[in-house]
Amino acid sequence: DTEVTQTPKHLVMGMTNKKSLKCEQHMGHRAMYWYKQKAKKPPELMFVYSYEKLSINESVPSRFSPECPNSSLLNLHLHALQPEDSALYLCASSQTSEATGYTQYFGPGTRLTVL
Amino acid sequence: RKEVEQDPGPFNVPEGATVAFNCTYSNSASQSFFWYRQDCRKEPKLLMSVYSSGNEDGRFTAQLNRASQYISLLIRDSKLSDSATYLCVVWVTGRRALTFGSGTRLQVQP
Repeated sequence: DTEVTQTPKHLVMGMTNKKSLKCEQHMGHRAMYWYKQKAKKPPELMFVYSYEKLSINESVPSRFSPECPNSSLLNLHLHALQPEDSALYLCASSQTSEATGYTQYFGPGTRLTVL
Repeated sequence: RKEVEQDPGPFNVPEGATVAFNCTYSNSASQSFFWYRQDCRKEPKLLMSVYSSGNEDGRFTAQLNRASQYISLLIRDSKLSDSATYLCVVWVTGRRALTFGSGTRLQVQP
């Protein structure tokens, strides 16, 4: 099973709202990722968690706050977003072993619209 | 210069055609290589990993040339369902994250 699930599929929020995106995988992967993707652009890395610890933050604004409660779950907390934050937010997971080549499996994404 | 460069296309080809995509990468510490496929408004899905000896999966053949830092994807007998954006993706040693090319769009026409 190479499934990564994400909820919600779609989210519309105002600039003063607080919301959370959720991601779950049961492949035993120990690395999980958040990406942001704008239309006709490749995914852009936001955060990497390795063994439930934040290992990469690509200078993401503090209005995005990641959380990894356990090895299967990854959340992205959103607060005071701007309209330009509207995008597809993708979660991915992978093994961390070099032998597996770091293949990442993506969830279906949450399409976020900020009004 | 971008770390991973691809021709953005679009490539418009008839059904049954053979089409080739190229990708170059700039970091010689790149270690693992992949082609992902992304349909419109969907997530990227792994198409195939790329190995030094070249590898084939059905109608798809991937090649890697480390000396030239070049990766290719060949699709034979194109189907309408092959229409998608193809992302060239590289793992750089020590970077702990994938680097994506900007993608090549393929449109297969009846």
